[in-house]
Amino acid sequence: SQQGEEDPQALSIQEGENATMNCSYKTSINNLQWYRQNSGRGLVHLILIRSNEREKHSGRLRVTLDTSKKSSSLLITASRAADTASYFCATDAVAAGNKLTFGGGTRVLVKP
Amino acid sequence: KAGVTQTPRYLIKTRGQQVTLSCSPISGHRSVSWYQQTPGQGLQFLFEYFSETQRNKGNFPGRFSGRQFSNSRSEMNVSTLELGDSALYLCASSSGQNYGYTFGSGTRLTVV
Repeated sequence: SQQGEEDPQALSIQEGENATMNCSYKTSINNLQWYRQNSGRGLVHLILIRSNEREKHSGRLRVTLDTSKKSSSLLITASRAADTASYFCATDAVAAGNKLTFGGGTRVLVKP
Repeated sequence: KAGVTQTPRYLIKTRGQQVTLSCSPISGHRSVSWYQQTPGQGLQFLFEYFSETQRNKGNFPGRFSGRQFSNSRSEMNVSTLELGDSALYLCASSSGQNYGYTFGSGTRLTVV
């Protein structure tokens, strides 16, 4: 079973709008990471947030972490067509042997 | 610096054959992880190597094996290929816990 589950599974927005996706996980984590994957290619690391952090920013990306709810969210502000991709959350958890476990991803389509 | 290099990019094999995939991590990264990505199962963890030792193993049959060399380069081998082994195989390297993974572009394996 997957440690992280993203919601929604798919998202379609207009260029310039914000995109928000959520990730829920099951066990205590060391950190949670977000990755982007363009069609059929390798994943690109976006942000890592440690379990003792609540929010991180990187350019137009904002990640929040709520360990009490075992959830995280990724916000992409002022989206661009180039943001069209699949976004995955991944957790590093002791219970999972400290391997990085990925969720099923959110497919984001940004329409020009 | 050079990224993670996976070879070959594409591979077509026949059922029953075996295949070896190669991954060269970022210089200085001692941790290498392998993932299988399929439309139905998503990103599934195969194994992780650190300093030539397998540190973690996913829930895959013994037909899937791997190793890491002293220069941190890694190979994975799949024997007695089945149609269901058709997938994108991704390799990632990391400099340690609490650092993001850098992924290669993957090897697209098709078993016919």
